[in-house]
Amino acid sequence: QKEVEQDPGPLSVPEGAIVSLNCTYSNSAFQYFMWYRQYSRKGPELLMYTYSSGNKEDGRFTAQVDKSSKYISLFIRDSQPSDSATYLCAMSSSYSSASKIIFGSGTRLSIRP
Amino acid sequence: GAVVSQHPSRVICKSGTSVKIECRSLDFQATTMFWYRQFPKQSLMLMATSNEGSKATYEQGVEKDKFLINHASLTLSTLTVTSAHPEDSSFYICSALKWDRANYGYTFGSGTRLTVV
Repeated sequence: QKEVEQDPGPLSVPEGAIVSLNCTYSNSAFQYFMWYRQYSRKGPELLMYTYSSGNKEDGRFTAQVDKSSKYISLFIRDSQPSDSATYLCAMSSSYSSASKIIFGSGTRLSIRP
Repeated sequence: GAVVSQHPSRVICKSGTSVKIECRSLDFQATTMFWYRQFPKQSLMLMATSNEGSKATYEQGVEKDKFLINHASLTLSTLTVTSAHPEDSSFYICSALKWDRANYGYTFGSGTRLTVV
C-alpha cells in the first residue's frame, strides 16, 4: 500500500464548475499537507499548505484536512481553463528542511471552455 | 517568493556521455535540496537528498555512481548523469525548502528534460 493515494484521473469538468480533488494517506505522523499544481513540462508550483486538521482558503482554492479520516481535499471554485493541469498532493511529518515530502501520483484535471 | 533556478531546461546528449544539471536557490540559502525524476504522466520520484558540505543520501534503487550529486554551497546543487543511456531519458526536477510559518513547502525548479540518443 502506498503512503499516499491519489486518483490519477483524468478529470474533465466544464468551465465554472466546482472541482474536488482528494488524497488519502496511511501515515498518521503526517502533519504538513500541501497541494501543488504542475503544468506540462514544468516544475510543480505550491498552491496551498495546511498544518494539521482544518480548512484554508485562498481565492478560489480551499484546502481541507481531516486527520481522523486521513483524508485531504482541494476545492477549486469557478474553475477556469487555465486551471487545467496536474494537481499533486504532498505531505510531510516534520517541519524540517531535511524532511522528505511524500507525493501523491497526481490528478490530471481538464477544464472544458 | 522563493525561486529555484534549474539549468539547462532541455538537453540532448549522445549515449555514453555525461550531463550536468544545476539547481540554484536564488533568494535563500538551502542546506538541503532534493532531486526528483518524473516519467511522462507519472508522479515525482525522489532520487536523492543533497546536503550542503556532505554526501548525498540516495533512495533505494538509485545508483549513486551514475547520478553524482554535489552540493558545494548553500545555493547550488548539481546532478551529473554519468555515462547516460537512453533509459536515463526523463524529466529531472530539483527542489529546496523555503519556509516560514505562513507558507511551508518546497519550491521546485522548472525541470530539465534529458533526452539520450
